[in-house]
Amino acid sequence: DQQVKQNSPSLSVQEGRISILNCDYTNSMFDYFLWYKKYPAEGPTFLISISSIKDKNEDGRFTVFLNKSAKHLSLHIVPSQPGDSAVYFCAASGASTGNQFYFGTGTSLTVIP
Amino acid sequence: NAGVMQNPRHLVRRRGQEARLRCSPMKGHSHVYWYRQLPEEGLKFMVYLQKENIIDESGMPKERFSAEFPKEGPSILRIQQVVRGDSAAYFCASSPGQAVGGEKLFFGSGTQLSVL
Repeated sequence: DQQVKQNSPSLSVQEGRISILNCDYTNSMFDYFLWYKKYPAEGPTFLISISSIKDKNEDGRFTVFLNKSAKHLSLHIVPSQPGDSAVYFCAASGASTGNQFYFGTGTSLTVIP
Repeated sequence: NAGVMQNPRHLVRRRGQEARLRCSPMKGHSHVYWYRQLPEEGLKFMVYLQKENIIDESGMPKERFSAEFPKEGPSILRIQQVVRGDSAAYFCASSPGQAVGGEKLFFGSGTQLSVL
């Protein structure tokens, strides 16, 4: 049962343009959401997070948007750079959902120079 | 401040052998999580441990898999009598607190297990 879904396995974007990565979740008890970035042969690294009390969080070129009514969040990267090419995982957790972080299946982003 | 350390990076085993994967959490972190990534899939939760306690093992297969986090030393994920389907990347993560209230996970580089 996949509670966090990333329906786009891959995305290609031209350098300098905006990258938009999407994530949907099914459990309304999730209250904390994170994005992780993963390069080949490395572990995921934390990128940005958002609490359910907010609908937007920005950190430099990265912005995460949360739409609780739609159970949807997105990560915007602007401008995209070739070094952003990686697999991006969406994750969710909640005080009442146990001790797990639930991860999506990832979206592989390729930024074309 | 060293990050999460996993070893070995690559582990090759023949069917029926045992695999032992080690994880040392970040300094000051007492919460350890193990995740598995099968080819073409996302990260699947396996087990959550604190020192000397298994808190949540709901993601662990019922047989052949076990985990521990002793008072001293690294956390160990043990897979007995490995089969080809166990071939995957196994990631360990640690956090200073529970997965609530905004804690985030810090991941190791993973152990790639290959079963021949």
